[in-house]
Amino acid sequence: EAQVTQNPRYLITVTGKKLTVTCSQNMNHEYMSWYRQDPGLGLRQIYYSMNVEVTDKGDVPEGYKVSRKEKRNFPLILESPSPNQTSLYFCASTRLAGHNEQFFGPGTRLTVL
Amino acid sequence: LAKTTQPISMDSYEGQEVNITCSHNNIATNDYITWYQQFPSQGPRFIIQGYKTKVTNEVASLFIPADRKSSTLSLPRVSLSDTAVYYCLVGDNEGGSYIPTFGRGTSLIVHP
Repeated sequence: EAQVTQNPRYLITVTGKKLTVTCSQNMNHEYMSWYRQDPGLGLRQIYYSMNVEVTDKGDVPEGYKVSRKEKRNFPLILESPSPNQTSLYFCASTRLAGHNEQFFGPGTRLTVL
Repeated sequence: LAKTTQPISMDSYEGQEVNITCSHNNIATNDYITWYQQFPSQGPRFIIQGYKTKVTNEVASLFIPADRKSSTLSLPRVSLSDTAVYYCLVGDNEGGSYIPTFGRGTSLIVHP
């Protein structure tokens, strides 16, 4: 089954404790991205990757890191989480950049205390 | 970057047709118009995409006038399960990258 998976689905952590949210897709898509969703603000893009070893900032990259060492994986790293990073996070992938259909993961609900 | 404007919320009743209009005055020649649906705590799901005139699939229709400065998503005979947030996106290929702007979307509530 074609899908985007994220882990963990739920995470409660404390300020400053490094964490990684994994994202994996099995569709051989080149383009992957991370979004965060907050009430009243819609979906905002954090980082995106055009292909392996190619990443770039989205609209709200501060406090986040990403890597793209393999085509299928695109982890989101929070080196020192803060309470303002409490949010619902979505990973997405698409075959190519541009207007192509994006496939989203199930989401990761993160709470930083 | 092409920006979109859509109503914050809409209400409807089961069995009615719902039309959600999105404005995108600065749409570029190569831009496509894409609509997504999102249920609470789930990732958005692609509904339909078009470039001009009319596109129809098993879920919805998309109407795009000749000037392409707006588009209308039409959901025929909605049911309670169509209650969701609907996002209009306009494709942007500036510089070879694509940064989709989802915005706040339109929250559709379908009443019994």
